[in-house]
Amino acid sequence: GAVVSQHPSRVICKSGTSVKIECRSLDFQATTMFWYRQFPKQSLMLMATSNEGSKATYEQGVEKDKFLINHASLTLSTLTVTSAHPEDSSFYICSATPGGKAQFFGPGTRLTVL
Amino acid sequence: GNSVTQMEGPVTLSEEAFLTINCTYTATGYPSLFWYVQYPGEGLQLLLKATKADDKGSNKGFEATYRKETTSFHLEKGSVQVSDSAVYFCALSDPQTSYDKVIFGPGTSLSVIP
Repeated sequence: GAVVSQHPSRVICKSGTSVKIECRSLDFQATTMFWYRQFPKQSLMLMATSNEGSKATYEQGVEKDKFLINHASLTLSTLTVTSAHPEDSSFYICSATPGGKAQFFGPGTRLTVL
Repeated sequence: GNSVTQMEGPVTLSEEAFLTINCTYTATGYPSLFWYVQYPGEGLQLLLKATKADDKGSNKGFEATYRKETTSFHLEKGSVQVSDSAVYFCALSDPQTSYDKVIFGPGTSLSVIP
């Protein structure tokens, strides 16, 4: 149980386009979802925390207008990278929690912006 | 603030060698402690956890003991296998925060050679 999926697993896009990444909790309702970014050979950096039906809380230094987060339901959160540029290329990982201490991570989405 | 420090890698071991990856933390409260593993090209998987002092987390031959007096949570395995090659992240979550944020260490890359 406690499976989190992400779609797509890989995306390559041209500079200036927007990319949407989906995060779904498949077998539980996620009261909270998190979005992380991971640069090569580095740790995960929390970008934002989202709760269903409310605005996301962004970490310091993360542009909320560039990284749009929508937590539309208890099983789905989306991250949209708007007007993507090569420096946005990264591995984006979501996690979801049904509450309490456990977080379950998705497999990640590799974004490459040309 | 809360933080996690890990020994720097990469670590290279021969098969069946003993593994220790050091992890120390700084926290204002009484955090839960975790070890996550990331295999190449994949997301994170929870390896083990401990929620209070002197707890020992264990899974797949890996162990770590929550040491409050030394603020440490070192990961150990008695005999590593090639399939253990991955990046290992020590992490904590502070129960004083409302969203169970997980703070990750920088990660330690482990390569096990036959």
